Amino acid sequence: DQQVKQNSPSLSVQEGRISILNCDYTNSMFDYFLWYKKYPAEGPTFLISISSIKDKNEDGRFTVFLNKSAKHLSLHIVPSQPGDSAVYFCAASASGGKVIFGPGTSLSVIP
Amino acid sequence: DVKVTQSSRYLVKRTGEKVFLECVQDMDHENMFWYRQDPGLGLRLIYFSYDVKMKEKGDIPEGYSVSREKKERFSLILESASTNQTSMYLCASSLWVAGRDTQYFGPGTRLTVL
Repeated sequence: DQQVKQNSPSLSVQEGRISILNCDYTNSMFDYFLWYKKYPAEGPTFLISISSIKDKNEDGRFTVFLNKSAKHLSLHIVPSQPGDSAVYFCAASASGGKVIFGPGTSLSVIP
Repeated sequence: DVKVTQSSRYLVKRTGEKVFLECVQDMDHENMFWYRQDPGLGLRLIYFSYDVKMKEKGDIPEGYSVSREKKERFSLILESASTNQTSMYLCASSLWVAGRDTQYFGPGTRLTVL
């Protein structure tokens, strides 16, 4: 049973528009959430994280929103660029626990 | 910058062969992990280690073993490779900071078992 879900396997967005990647989780003990980005033939790279004491964290073009009551988080990329085309993994952990990864969403940014 | 290296980018082995995948990190991280990535399944944890000579099973340890003789090196072993072990294998290392674990990944090894 997947504890971290990314229900959209793929997403296409025009360059310059907003990309919104969604993630849902089932374990209410999760209190730390991360997004990783993965290009083909490379390992995932850490992108941004958020602790459960916050509902928003921003880093340049990337913003993560956390809705604890809905057990939902989203990653916003504004504006989207062709170089953002990659697979994005949502991940979550409880304090001191293992990191659990979602299945990933493949983002294509069309020039 | 954290650097995690894996011994091979691509590997082709035959069914029944013993396979060694090596991973080395240069940041003195305590924690090291082995994952496999398959389409639609994300990253699944095979084994991890929080210290030298220490190992813990992840979610899918069957058919695999690991070795951590030195802090910087974590090896994944397929005792007798099978075709269902064809996958992308990713090694990661991390350091606990205030109870938080941010992992840094190597480039991956694409293993094909024929």
